[in-house]
Amino acid sequence: GENVEQHPSTLSVQEGDSAVIKCTYSDSASNYFPWYKQELGKGSQLIIDIRSNVGEKKDQRIAVTLNKTAKHFSLHITETQPEDSAVYFCAARGRRGGGADGLTFGKGTHLIIQP
Amino acid sequence: NAGVMQNPRHLVRRRGQEARLRCSPMKGHSHVYWYRQLPEEGLKFMVYLQKENIIDESGMPKERFSAEFPKEGPSILRIQQVVRGDSAAYFCASSPRPGAGADTQYFGPGTRLTVL
Repeated sequence: GENVEQHPSTLSVQEGDSAVIKCTYSDSASNYFPWYKQELGKGSQLIIDIRSNVGEKKDQRIAVTLNKTAKHFSLHITETQPEDSAVYFCAARGRRGGGADGLTFGKGTHLIIQP
Repeated sequence: NAGVMQNPRHLVRRRGQEARLRCSPMKGHSHVYWYRQLPEEGLKFMVYLQKENIIDESGMPKERFSAEFPKEGPSILRIQQVVRGDSAAYFCASSPRPGAGADTQYFGPGTRLTVL
């Protein structure tokens, strides 16, 4: 099955600086890669996703890049703000069927924005 | 449009009791996923259901765990004879339908199960 590795586990950046979180996946058949933000005591909120037919996607201060050959994808947050502090999870999903319907998550990155 | 709703938010059970977790998907969504999250871990897929059908239960333990999504009412994750190792946060997600662009999963706030 799919295996997703996420780094770093903790990331501390100064307010206004950029943050980058990286994930690798093992199943070359995976074709959908969402990123979720989880705040303390809350459910996970989808912040951006990318499909394997594109290499980059951007939404205001957030961008995601995908390298299918290397099987890795990254989350980029620019001009970080205190409210960006949270745990971020990457995930991957393979082709439908054969036990591939659910998302496989990384272990999360605790992003801390220092004022 | 209300988001995915889960209840209870917190559930305390003694070993050997049953736990029933409920999930109401977003309006218009007919696909439900259950995930379990242990402390300091990512979410682990358990089961994927459509109305009245279990599509993929490859992540769910074979014993004591069951899930359903009836024609009417919420999806239920049921854990029989709970043990301390079942203590975790259980998250439900829903999506409109399969197919690129319509299969994004939206998560509920979770149920935190504590087994004493």
